[in-house]
This record gives sequence, C-alpha cells and structure tokens, in this order.
Amino acid sequence: AQSVSQHNHHVILSEAASLELGCNYSYGGTVNLFWYVQYPGQHLQLLLKYFSGDPLVKGIKGFEAEFIKSKFSFNLRKPSVQWSDTAEYFCAVNAPVNSGYALNFGKGTSLLVTP
Amino acid sequence: NAGVTQTPKFRVLKTGQSMTLLCAQDMNHEYMYWYRQDPGMGLRLIHYSVGEGTTAKGEVPDGYNVSRLKKQNFLLGLESAAPSQTSVYFCASSLFTGPISIYEQYFGPGTRLTVT
Repeated sequence: AQSVSQHNHHVILSEAASLELGCNYSYGGTVNLFWYVQYPGQHLQLLLKYFSGDPLVKGIKGFEAEFIKSKFSFNLRKPSVQWSDTAEYFCAVNAPVNSGYALNFGKGTSLLVTP
Repeated sequence: NAGVTQTPKFRVLKTGQSMTLLCAQDMNHEYMYWYRQDPGMGLRLIHYSVGEGTTAKGEVPDGYNVSRLKKQNFLLGLESAAPSQTSVYFCASSLFTGPISIYEQYFGPGTRLTVT
C-alpha cells in the first residue's frame, strides 16, 4: 500500500536557521507530490507541488523542495526560517485513480521557530 | 470566489446524537473529499466523490455516510456519534481535467467536532 513517511515529528529552530524536513513515499508509479502547511488554527495551504520536469521546485514564502526519484524522497527546505514559519507541515502524495486521486498524507512535522 | 466552505465551524455532540457537516465549493470542481485530522495521525481520507451522485469509501469510512446530490455540495453524516469521532474534519475539492491532471486539492477551514 502507498505510504508517506515524515521523519521529524517535532522540530525547534531559532530564527535564521536553515530548515530541512524529510519526506519519503512508497509508490512505484508516477506520483504527484505536495507540501502543505497548516498555521495554528487555520486550514491547510499549498506550499508547493511537483508533477514532472525540474526536480527542484520552488514554492511560496521562500520554500523549496527537491524530488529525488531514486530515493523516493521529496524533502522540504528553507535557507532561513522566520518566527512566522511556526506551523505544521504535511507531505502528501496523490493516491491512484481507484482512490479518486485523494491525497495520502504523512503524519506531519510540527515546526516551532523561536526568536 | 469563496473557495471551499464548511458548516458548522464547531460542534459538540453527545454520544449517540447525529449530525451533518456541509461542504460547499464554488469552483466547479468534480472531485470532493472528506478527511479527518487527529493529533499525530496526519489527515486520513473518510469518503470521496468523483462527481455528482457518486461516492466511495476512503481509508476510515466506518461510522460515516456521505451524499453528493449536487456537484457543489458534499455532505458528511454521523448517524450515531461516538467519542472516537472527536476530530477536526476537512473538506477538499479538486478539478479533473483529464488523465494527466494535477489534482491539486483546495481545503476548507475545517469543522472541530467534539463528542462527549
């Protein structure tokens, strides 16, 4: 069965530190990959997405992610985090057609950025 | 456009009570989904719909029913609420444009349900 693993459940960083959140998926076919962010008390917002082409994808708010097909990974990065990046981050993969292309989510990584 | 809206935002139920959560989207999307979010579990798919009049079970369908009578609405029902259904419920929709569609999903603001 398809699954998504996020390696870090809780991350605490100081402002200006660099961020890398790991995401691995298990699915042998063509995948669409996503990172969503959920700020405290808010709904999920799309950070970035990958379908094909350049494996380095740039998203909103200075985030980027790199798709490494050989490693089944789609790690999220940001060179310098801000206090406002405090949120929960979810990696997701589209399920196959027989699940209506629903998203399979990782369990999330809670990021706390301290001043 | 309002995007995806959900009603109500909060609800407290007693065990055994019933309720319906309403999701509405104004983007003419074909696909709609209901997820539940629990701490440390991420989001899990409850039911989904690939078009008006069609529904299908997701990963955690037990205790829930759904209906998609109109393309823009997707209702999630709890016939007899249980404490295990305490959760935050998110509705999402996506546009189908063909076999190589991107299927980016747009999420509603969520409904926080507590069952006592």
